[in-house]
Amino acid sequence: QITLKESGPTLVKPTQTLTLACTFSGFSLTSYGVAVGWIRQPPGKALEWLALIYWDDDKRYSPSLKTRLTITKDTSTNQVVLTMTNMDPVDTATYYCAQTSKHSVYGTCFDYWGQGTLVTVSS
Amino acid sequence: DIQMTQSPSTLSASVGDRVTITCRASQSISRWLAWYQQKPGRAPKLLIYEASSLESGVPSRFSGSGSGTEFTLTITSLQPDDFAIYFCQQYNTYGTFGQGTKVEIK
Repeated sequence: QITLKESGPTLVKPTQTLTLACTFSGFSLTSYGVAVGWIRQPPGKALEWLALIYWDDDKRYSPSLKTRLTITKDTSTNQVVLTMTNMDPVDTATYYCAQTSKHSVYGTCFDYWGQGTLVTVSS
Repeated sequence: DIQMTQSPSTLSASVGDRVTITCRASQSISRWLAWYQQKPGRAPKLLIYEASSLESGVPSRFSGSGSGTEFTLTITSLQPDDFAIYFCQQYNTYGTFGQGTKVEIK
C-alpha cells in the first residue's frame, strides 16, 4: 500500500524559507521510473505543479518558481524535501506531495497523493 | 508555458445524466493529459491518464478522449458520488492544471 504524508510548519512569516517533508512508504524512490513531486492549491483555487524528483535524482521545477524551489530526496529515510524561499502571503496554500510512475519525457501526472498540509504565510 | 482551459466552470446535472467536460491546451500536448476528481478537503484522485487510459479501480462510467489540444472527460450515468470538482492536467511539459469544473446537483 502506497502512502505519502506531508509535514512542516503551518505558519510562516513573509520572506522566510518554507521547508516541507514528504514521508512515504510502499514504494522505493530508487526504482526505475518512480518520481515524487509537489503540488499546491491556494484555498478555493486550482492546483499548481511545483517540482519533481526522479529515481535517478533528475529534478524538474516549475519555470515560474524555479529560482525559489529546491527538491531533494533521502532514500534511506524515504523522504522528499521541498524548500521554497522568500515566502509571500500569495504562497498560502495546501501543499501536496504525490508519487508517480506515469510520465512523458518532460512531465508527470500523479497516481498517489498525500493528504496535504495547509501552509499560511502571514506576519 | 502551456495553458489549460476547462469548460464549463460549473455544471449542474442530475443523477443518471451524461456529463461532458472539455479541456483545451494552448499548444499541442499529444496525449499527455490526465483527469482528476477532487472532493472538499481531500486530495485529488487520478481518474484518467494519457488522455483515455482508465486508472485502476476507477469505474468504467468515466472515460476520456482527445489528442493535440482538445480533450474531453465523459461521465455516463452520473452517480451521487460523482458530484465533485474535476481538473485536467497536461504533462507534456512539466504539469499545468486546468482551473477546474465543479459538477453540482441540479
